[in-house]
Amino acid sequence: QVQLVQSGAEVKKPGASVKVSCKASGYTFSTYYMHWVRQAPGQGLEWMGWINPNSGGTNYAQKFQGRVTMTRDTSISTAYMDLSRLRSDDTAVYFCAREYSSGWSLDYWGQGTLVTVSS
Amino acid sequence: DIQMTQSPSSLSASVGDRVTITCRASQSISSYLNWYQQKPGKAPKLLIYTASSLQSGVPSRFSGSGSGTDFTLTISSLQPEDFATYYCQQSYSTPHTFGQGTKLEIK
Repeated sequence: QVQLVQSGAEVKKPGASVKVSCKASGYTFSTYYMHWVRQAPGQGLEWMGWINPNSGGTNYAQKFQGRVTMTRDTSISTAYMDLSRLRSDDTAVYFCAREYSSGWSLDYWGQGTLVTVSS
Repeated sequence: DIQMTQSPSSLSASVGDRVTITCRASQSISSYLNWYQQKPGKAPKLLIYTASSLQSGVPSRFSGSGSGTDFTLTISSLQPEDFATYYCQQSYSTPHTFGQGTKLEIK
């Protein structure tokens, strides 16, 4: 069965960086784009971007351009999301999600990783 | 960016009720509209993709319709497990924006 398992919660200081991992299993990792979505406490969902695991190509939301880097390691079926120059308003749960081939919806999601930014 | 607006933002209903949630896009998105259900502390779950296609394993009481700019999610007969927050998302163009969510509560 398809599973996306994310790394554990992180606490970071303002200005630092965080790297969240998302390990995929149960399917061919390179075949499906991986998206990242975040959710601030009590707020809605915010799309951050995607990575094509086959080519490494990426597409980031303008809001995060210059601060976010999405990478992958196909040898271990893992995607990564690196966010730099963290601010307090980056405190959120970060989800990875697999893109379904039909309509570019997100059919499988990781469990989420809480990133807390606090001095 | 395409803006997605859901209405209502919250809704109280009873078990057995028929419920409709609306999502409007700021420009035409053809049928590239998805619906998700999220329960507290959990990841979202895909319900409907491309406006009206039911995701595998999702009960048939959920249905979606619409195209262009106006879309609806309908739950034909509310069950206790359906009380959650619902989000629409457009996947027509990046950024793949979400609506602000509709919280469905028990009356």
